[in-house]
Amino acid sequence: GENVEQHPSTLSVQEGDSAVIKCTYSDSASNYFPWYKQELGKRPQLIIDIRSNVGEKKDQRIAVTLNKTAKHFSLHITETQPEDSAVYFCAASRRSNDYKLSFGAGTTVTVRA
Amino acid sequence: GAGVSQSPSNKVTEKGKDVELRCDPISGHTALYWYRQSLGQGLEFLIYFQGNSAPDKSGLPSDRFSAERTGGSVSTLTIQRTQQEDSAVYLCASSLRPQSSYEQYFGPGTRLTVT
Repeated sequence: GENVEQHPSTLSVQEGDSAVIKCTYSDSASNYFPWYKQELGKRPQLIIDIRSNVGEKKDQRIAVTLNKTAKHFSLHITETQPEDSAVYFCAASRRSNDYKLSFGAGTTVTVRA
Repeated sequence: GAGVSQSPSNKVTEKGKDVELRCDPISGHTALYWYRQSLGQGLEFLIYFQGNSAPDKSGLPSDRFSAERTGGSVSTLTIQRTQQEDSAVYLCASSLRPQSSYEQYFGPGTRLTVT
């Protein structure tokens, strides 16, 4: 099955700086890669996703890059704000198994004011 | 509209007892997934329902775990003879049509504590 590794496990950044989280996956058939944000005590919410036919996707301060050859993808948050503090999960899935998600272990991001 | 709902929000049970966790997906969503989130860990896939097809149970950790989905809507996850290692947050998610719509919407979860 799919194995997703996520680094770092914790990340502390100064407000206004950038944060980068990296994930690798093992199943070359994976073709959909969402990122979820989970605030303390709340449900995971999708913040951005990327499909395998795209190398990069951006939504305001958030961007995701995908390198299919190397089987890794990254989340970039620019101009971080205190409300960006949360746990971020990457995941990988493929259409052929109806997009069951294999998650990374999560990154706890703390934005220091 | 209403999102995915789960009940109860918290459940404390004694080791060896059975528990039932409920999930109400978003109306019209044909796909329903159960995940487990242990403390400080990522989400672990448990079971998947799609329409009237047989469920994908490949993620269930033992035969003490089972789930059903009645009428293609509400789902119940049952854990028999609970063990302390079953303590976790159990999350349910639904999506519109998995082959064409990727986003899974999560419920708030049920925090299960086995004492």
